Amino acid sequence: DAGITQSPRYKITETGRQVTLMCHQTWSHSYMFWYRQDLGHGLRLIYYSAAADITDKGEVPDGYVVSRSKTENFPLTLESATRSQTSVYFCASGAGSLTDTQYFGPGTRLTVL
Amino acid sequence: QQQVKQSPQSLIVQKGGIPIINCAYENTAFDYFPWYQQFPGKGPALLIAIRPDVSEKKEGRFTISFNKSAKQFSLHIMDSQPGDSATYFCAAPGHTGGFKTIFGAGTRLFVKA
Repeated sequence: DAGITQSPRYKITETGRQVTLMCHQTWSHSYMFWYRQDLGHGLRLIYYSAAADITDKGEVPDGYVVSRSKTENFPLTLESATRSQTSVYFCASGAGSLTDTQYFGPGTRLTVL
Repeated sequence: QQQVKQSPQSLIVQKGGIPIINCAYENTAFDYFPWYQQFPGKGPALLIAIRPDVSEKKEGRFTISFNKSAKQFSLHIMDSQPGDSATYFCAAPGHTGGFKTIFGAGTRLFVKA
């Protein structure tokens, strides 16, 4: 099915462990984004990508790493998870510009113990 | 530095009421102002968007009013229904290391039956 998917949907990990969240889109959209959603903060941009092999920092990039070797995939890695990274993570994609419509995945709820 | 201010944080209305959610932005360089709707456990989805060459846009029961001089836009939900209960996010272009979409903090709407 066409769309944007995220995996896993739920993840519990421990402080200090490395965690990778996956994002896959089937539209061939150029732009992809990672957000975290925390109560009272709305959606905050972590990293974004304008095309394969082109990534850049967003508002809250510290502690996260991204890569984009293929247009359809945009994994987000927490190199050494901390409790403050407990959040709901959303991946999004867009065909236009950085300020055009974005299409969101279903989210990954991450808990760091 | 908050570049998109959304209010109120939460809103409770009776069925048939007209909830109004407001959004104020700072950056005037771009021309696309969307509202996203998010149901519990789901990712945000585009609800309605406006470009500032018009002052109002209607799609079904949803209306955006845009005031370019005041740098504000608002979402009105006519004849609100319990199924409209969700979190609503406005978004506007902002400048955080390059122009990108900045989301408001969100408004949790509850429509009483």
